[in-house]
Amino acid sequence: DQQVKQNSPSLSVQEGRISILNCDYTNSMFDYFLWYKKYPAEGPTFLISISSIKDKNEDGRFTVFLNKSAKHLSLHIVPSQPGDSAVYFCAASDYTSGTYKYIFGTGTRLKVLA
Amino acid sequence: DAMVIQNPRYQVTQFGKPVTLSCSQTLNHNVMYWYQQKSSQAPKLLFHYYDKDFNNEADTPDNFQSRRPNTSFCFLDIRSPGLGDAAMYLCATSRGREQETQYFGPGTRLLVL
Repeated sequence: DQQVKQNSPSLSVQEGRISILNCDYTNSMFDYFLWYKKYPAEGPTFLISISSIKDKNEDGRFTVFLNKSAKHLSLHIVPSQPGDSAVYFCAASDYTSGTYKYIFGTGTRLKVLA
Repeated sequence: DAMVIQNPRYQVTQFGKPVTLSCSQTLNHNVMYWYQQKSSQAPKLLFHYYDKDFNNEADTPDNFQSRRPNTSFCFLDIRSPGLGDAAMYLCATSRGREQETQYFGPGTRLLVL
């Protein structure tokens, strides 16, 4: 059963506009979340993270919002650039087994159109 | 540049023929992870090493083994690959086991004939 869900497999956005990528999770014990970006033929690279004590974290053009009551987080990219075209993975930190591990979503492929 | 390296990038093996995938890191990180990612699915953790301490995920098949001879290297051994083991295998590292950033290699794509 998928504990971290990214329900949109793909998203297309015009250059300069806002990209919003969504992620839902089922386990209310998750307390730390990350976004990774993956280009073809490369491994995922860390983009931004957020702790459950915050509801927003910003880094340049990238902002992650966390809504704990809805068990939902989103990544906003403003303004979107063609170089942002990649697959974006949401991940949640899980400590239920006694050691930290990350549970990943299935990814959303973002295409930014020039 | 400090990095995570995986060799080979593509591996073809035959059904039932043992195969070993390699990962090395120059980050001097304590933790190394192996993930399996099938097409359109999420990366799934198979196991991780914290230094020499091996941690297997409960649902990782016995067919998958791992070795970490030193800090820099970690190997994934698939003893008898089946068609269902065809996937991208990602190696990652982190400094510690707390909520730390994981750094990924480019992956090895395994094809089983």
